Amino acid sequence: EDQVTQSPEALRLQEGESSSLNCSYTVSGLRGLFWYRQDPGKGPEFLFTLYSAGEEKEKERLKATLTKKESFLHITAPKPEDSATYLCAVQAPGAGSYQLTFGKGTKLSVIP
Amino acid sequence: DSGVTQTPKHLITATGQRVTLRCSPRSGDLSVYWYQQSLDQGLQFLIQYYNGEERAKGNILERFSAQQFPDLHSELNLSSLELGDSALYFCASRRGGTTDTQYFGPGTRLTVL
Repeated sequence: EDQVTQSPEALRLQEGESSSLNCSYTVSGLRGLFWYRQDPGKGPEFLFTLYSAGEEKEKERLKATLTKKESFLHITAPKPEDSATYLCAVQAPGAGSYQLTFGKGTKLSVIP
Repeated sequence: DSGVTQTPKHLITATGQRVTLRCSPRSGDLSVYWYQQSLDQGLQFLIQYYNGEERAKGNILERFSAQQFPDLHSELNLSSLELGDSALYFCASRRGGTTDTQYFGPGTRLTVL
């Protein structure tokens, strides 16, 4: 069974204080690892897809990296508007369904 | 705006009742996924349809069912509702083929009293 564990559950940062969020996964063959951002009461918003170990992707203050067992979402000099829950999900090959298995997320709060 | 629409935004009903949630995928997307999000469980995959046919099932209860219509919109039917069914229900759509990214709608918040 595919499993995704995210840590920490919650993170409070001062504005400008860089940090990283962790996503550990167990999957029988990884097709892709996805990062989403979710604001309270809203639907998840797609950020990145990573496919192979060593791959990195960046978007503004966010950079996602991937190893064979985990992924990191690095946040550089965060701003209050980066406050959200960040979700990690894995997609395994299988019957063409492309379904996602999500972790429970990391709730990030950036304090001005 | 992801291009995925869901109605209604909020739904309040009583135990034992039946409700229908509706989802319209992004233009051109053939696949629709339904997820349930509760405080303790996180996002859980329920069921997937591709071009009108059921493709995969997750942890969907027997009281729940879904279908996808010829115009590709989808409906999730929840019956004999229980207090524990209160949650956010999200629909996501995917283009199809080897395209792997799912785009989520704004969700329907279901409250069962």
